[in-house]
Amino acid sequence: GQQLNQSPQSMFIQEGEDVSMNCTSSSIFNTWLWYKQDPGEGPVLLIALYKAGELTSNGRLTAQFGITRKDSFLNISASIPSDVGIYFCAGQYSGGSNYKLTFGKGTLLTVNP
Amino acid sequence: DTAVSQTPKYLVTQMGNDKSIKCEQNLGHDTMYWYKQDSKKFLKIMFSYNNKELIINETVPNRFSPKSPDKAHLNLHINSLELGDSAVYFCASSQGANNEKLFFGSGTQLSVL
Repeated sequence: GQQLNQSPQSMFIQEGEDVSMNCTSSSIFNTWLWYKQDPGEGPVLLIALYKAGELTSNGRLTAQFGITRKDSFLNISASIPSDVGIYFCAGQYSGGSNYKLTFGKGTLLTVNP
Repeated sequence: DTAVSQTPKYLVTQMGNDKSIKCEQNLGHDTMYWYKQDSKKFLKIMFSYNNKELIINETVPNRFSPKSPDKAHLNLHINSLELGDSAVYFCASSQGANNEKLFFGSGTQLSVL
C-alpha cells in the first residue's frame, strides 16, 4: 500500500520561530492535506491542496503540493504557544473506488514561550 | 454543539470483555469512519460507512463489528478484548465517500488490562 514519510518526527522551537515540515510518498496523490491534533482531541483539517504546484495559506500556515505529486510541505511562520500539537499530512488518490486517506506518522511540535 | 461526538471518552476494561463505543454526528454528513491511533500516534482507518452501507473494511479482526443504524450514527463493538486493542479510537464523518475533509470526534481512549 501507499506509504507516507513525514519529517521531522518532532521539533522543539522557540516562540516566534518559523517551522517547516514535509511529507513524501512512494506514489502519487491527487490531494494532499494537513491536519493538526491538539492534545486529547481529534485531528482538525488545516489546509487542503488539489493541484500539483499549488501553494495555499491559512493565516500563518502555508502548504504546498509538490510538482511531482509525491510530496507536500507545511510552513508555520512566527510560531506561538498554541501551535503546539501533532501535525499530520494525509494524501488521497481517488482512482477507481479507492478514496481512502493515507496519513503520515505525524510531526510533534513543541513551542517554548 | 459538538459536531462529532463519541462516548465514552475513556474506557478501561479487562482482557476478554466485550465493549462498545458510540458515535454521533450532527453535521448532516452521509459518510462515517472509525480510525485507530496507536501509541506512536499512527492513524489508520478501520471502517467506513456511506448511507449506512459498509464501503471500507480494512484488515481488522472480526472481533470488531461496526454498526450504523442511520446516517448520523456509527457504533463500534469489540468482542473478546485483547491487550493489543489498547489505543485511541476516533470516529469521523464527511459529506460524500470520496471527501477528504474529515471531521473527527475527540477520541475514545481504550485501555485493556
